[in-house]
Amino acid sequence: GQNIDQPTEMTATEGAIVQINCTYQTSGFNGLFWYQQHAGEAPTFLSYNVLDGLEEKGRFSSFLSRSKGYSYLLLKELQMKDSASYLCAVRDISMNTGFQKLVFGTGTRLLVSP
Amino acid sequence: KAGVTQTPRYLIKTRGQQVTLSCSPISGHRSVSWYQQTPGQGLQFLFEYFSETQRNKGNFPGRFSGRQFSNSRSEMNVSTLELGDSALYLCASSPTEGGGQPQHFGDGTRLSIL
Repeated sequence: GQNIDQPTEMTATEGAIVQINCTYQTSGFNGLFWYQQHAGEAPTFLSYNVLDGLEEKGRFSSFLSRSKGYSYLLLKELQMKDSASYLCAVRDISMNTGFQKLVFGTGTRLLVSP
Repeated sequence: KAGVTQTPRYLIKTRGQQVTLSCSPISGHRSVSWYQQTPGQGLQFLFEYFSETQRNKGNFPGRFSGRQFSNSRSEMNVSTLELGDSALYLCASSPTEGGGQPQHFGDGTRLSIL
């Protein structure tokens, strides 16, 4: 089966740093995505990790440890516009069919206050 | 480059009716995936189409079906609607199948069942 866990909600203040964790259990793993979704809008791609380590992209960084089934998204210099839901999604491979699909966590709602 | 277009944006139906949702992917993208998003369950994978063939299917009843046309546009049909089908239905397109590249989401169709 597949299981992806993220905290439901987090709060932080403008200018701070926040880390959103994601743990996963899947039958076949082939990469992990982070998406941002503002209320009432479509999810937008933030980052992709397939190898262990840290990927940095501006104020956002994402880390992956395949052996621990763990990832985090790090947001630096928080801005009010970063208030959104952050979705962790694992690329899961079916051991039976070999087909791959994205399995999403329920998302972490981040509220940035002044 | 135009993004992913979903129509209609909003839809109200009653129990027992059927509904068809449409998704036009980004030009050149051959993969279209459909997701159901609800507050409690997050994004749940419905199915993926690539080159007019269903490549993968999630754990939804047979009332949920889809198809893809030669121009990569896709439709999703839900028959015998139930109250629990009220949700935001998102489609996402990608150049390749299986979630190997970032998916680009449409704004969704919000379906309400009365």
